[in-house]
Amino acid sequence: AQTVTQSQPEMSVQEAETVTLSCTYDTSESDYYLFWYKQPPSRQMILVIRQEAYKQQNATENRFSVNFQKAAKSFSLKISDSQLGDAAMYFCAYQRGADGLTFGKGTHLIIQP
Amino acid sequence: GAGVSQTPSNKVTEKGKYVELRCDPISGHTALYWYRQSLGQGPEFLIYFQGTGAADDSGLPNDRFFAVRPEGSVSTLKIQRTERGDSAVYLCASSLTRDSSYEQYFGPGTRLTVT
Repeated sequence: AQTVTQSQPEMSVQEAETVTLSCTYDTSESDYYLFWYKQPPSRQMILVIRQEAYKQQNATENRFSVNFQKAAKSFSLKISDSQLGDAAMYFCAYQRGADGLTFGKGTHLIIQP
Repeated sequence: GAGVSQTPSNKVTEKGKYVELRCDPISGHTALYWYRQSLGQGPEFLIYFQGTGAADDSGLPNDRFFAVRPEGSVSTLKIQRTERGDSAVYLCASSLTRDSSYEQYFGPGTRLTVT
């Protein structure tokens, strides 16, 4: 079974600074997808960024980028120029094909003004 | 267009009662997923529908949980003989698997409290 581990229950960063959230996963598959989701207090799960395992290039979406290390099974999220609106729970997730997502336990991100 | 909607947004029930939670996916999305999120945890997969059939129900915790999607659109998650441990937020997601992106769009969830 696949597992996803987020080892940082909580992270804090100053507004405008950069923060990196860690994620490792375990799978025997070679083809899969990885995601970072943001969940604010409203409970709505919002997709931040996705990465296809077959792509070597790291995904980027504006201020959000990932460091995907397939051999190490590591998938970290970097948030540049942190903004107050980035404060939320962040979940790393794994998916094989159209199967259900396997989520980590989440990292609570606090933005200090 | 409209996103995924879930009703009710909150449900309080007594231990032992039966509850139904509804999910309306994005129009045209063929895949529908249910997850359960306990306090302080990440969502846990329950069941996945492709059209009307359950493609994977391996996450359902026991036979008190059942889900249907009779017309390939709206889905209902049914919980019999509720227990206090069933208290959680139940999330629904849908995706358009034809384009192979499998990106899931989530609803706002139903918070179930069993007293």
